[in-house]
Amino acid sequence: QITLTESGPTLVKPTQTLTLTCTYSGFSLSTRGVGVGWIRQTPGKALEWLALIYWNDDKAYSASLKTRLTISEDTFENQVVLTMTTMDPVDTGTYFCAHYRRGDFDPSTSTYGDWYFDIWGRGTLVTVSS
Amino acid sequence: QSVLTQPPSVSGAPGQRVTISCKGSRSNIGARYGYDVHWYQQLPGTAPKLLIYGNDNRPSGVPDRFSGSKSGTSASLVIQGLQAEDEADYYCQSYDVDLRGSVFGGGTRLTVL
Repeated sequence: QITLTESGPTLVKPTQTLTLTCTYSGFSLSTRGVGVGWIRQTPGKALEWLALIYWNDDKAYSASLKTRLTISEDTFENQVVLTMTTMDPVDTGTYFCAHYRRGDFDPSTSTYGDWYFDIWGRGTLVTVSS
Repeated sequence: QSVLTQPPSVSGAPGQRVTISCKGSRSNIGARYGYDVHWYQQLPGTAPKLLIYGNDNRPSGVPDRFSGSKSGTSASLVIQGLQAEDEADYYCQSYDVDLRGSVFGGGTRLTVL
């Protein structure tokens, strides 16, 4: 059974750096076709993808936040860490980590389906305020 | 503004059928090789849950009342036989080749009358 749990500070001050940890179980980030992603949800409700790390250590970042984000992994501890610099009140929201997997293999085309988030953590609420 | 466009809200009475649209562009859903669309259900106060993956596939445990489809630059989620427990927010997600990353729709709130 795959589970993911987010942890980190509930309150950060403007301009500070946020560090969030995603502790996972039930899978290995070394397994081909697997990744872990971070997604946030602002009070306005929309989901926004932030960053991804893949089984082969490739990383991807939201184009609009790329300069502020860093994603890394600690496979021994089964953790994925996200740092976001220069926090601002508009960054207030719930931050989720999720298991990211490649779609099913289609023998007729010899290709895999596109990636999607199949298991999500409960999320952690982060408030940015002085 | 979300890259994928969804109606803010839809509603229906118990037993009815509702459709939620997700409109993209040629840089995502309608791209040359057509990126897949996935759907998530978010019940009040909970994390999103995968509802449909790869345009029209249901994960184990998702009732067959839920179905998905994709055509051109758009996708749709259909819920048949509406139940009170279906009241939730629904989000579509795909990949955007110009942004080089995942993109979500703005979400649609379903109200069961």
